[in-house]
Amino acid sequence: QKEVEQNSGPLSVPEGAIASLNCTYSDRGSQSFFWYRQYSGKSPELIMSIYSNGDKEDGRFTAQLNKASQYVSLLIRDSQPSDSATYLCAVKKAAGNKLTFGGGTRVLVKP
Amino acid sequence: ETGVTQSPTHLIKTRGQQVTLRCSSQSGHNTVSWYQQALGQGPQFIFQYYREEENGRGNFPPRFSGLQFPNYSSELNVNALELDDSALYLCASSLIMESYGYTFGSGTRLTVV
Repeated sequence: QKEVEQNSGPLSVPEGAIASLNCTYSDRGSQSFFWYRQYSGKSPELIMSIYSNGDKEDGRFTAQLNKASQYVSLLIRDSQPSDSATYLCAVKKAAGNKLTFGGGTRVLVKP
Repeated sequence: ETGVTQSPTHLIKTRGQQVTLRCSSQSGHNTVSWYQQALGQGPQFIFQYYREEENGRGNFPPRFSGLQFPNYSSELNVNALELDDSALYLCASSLIMESYGYTFGSGTRLTVV
């Protein structure tokens, strides 16, 4: 079992719709959770971080964390063609520790 | 502007050669981490340096080595290059006690032929 798992996609959503991305992790010691966006040929860009159970909203993005079920999700509201990218889920056990990434979910937003 | 700069941006090497990649940390950061991202995969942790000492290593062979300098800049060295070493190499700097997600540099695309 991989430490962090994501569906590879592609997840195809029409413009203006909600894109829902899921991520599960295996290590219950994980404390910090992140979503990165990566455009083709570019480096990952941090878009959301979440540290406690519940929802965290930032603009059109909402991250949701459920430590009991060991999953973290990302919602993208009012999806735009510019949101077309690969979204990487990453977890961290402790301060200063390494990030462990999932394989990423490719999102395609169609006009 | 991420504050973390990597060089070179692209590199082509022949199998068996050696390569050195460089990373300049964001000002004030004392920790640097290196990741390898193969095409279509998520980044994989190579190692982390803190105060010029290795502070954790992923599942990479000894031919992957690193250095961190007093100014916190860093190098990643790979000896005896293999075709599978072709990847995007990412550097991130941070503070050791920080829980936040890392900000990555723009990466170095290494192609081994």
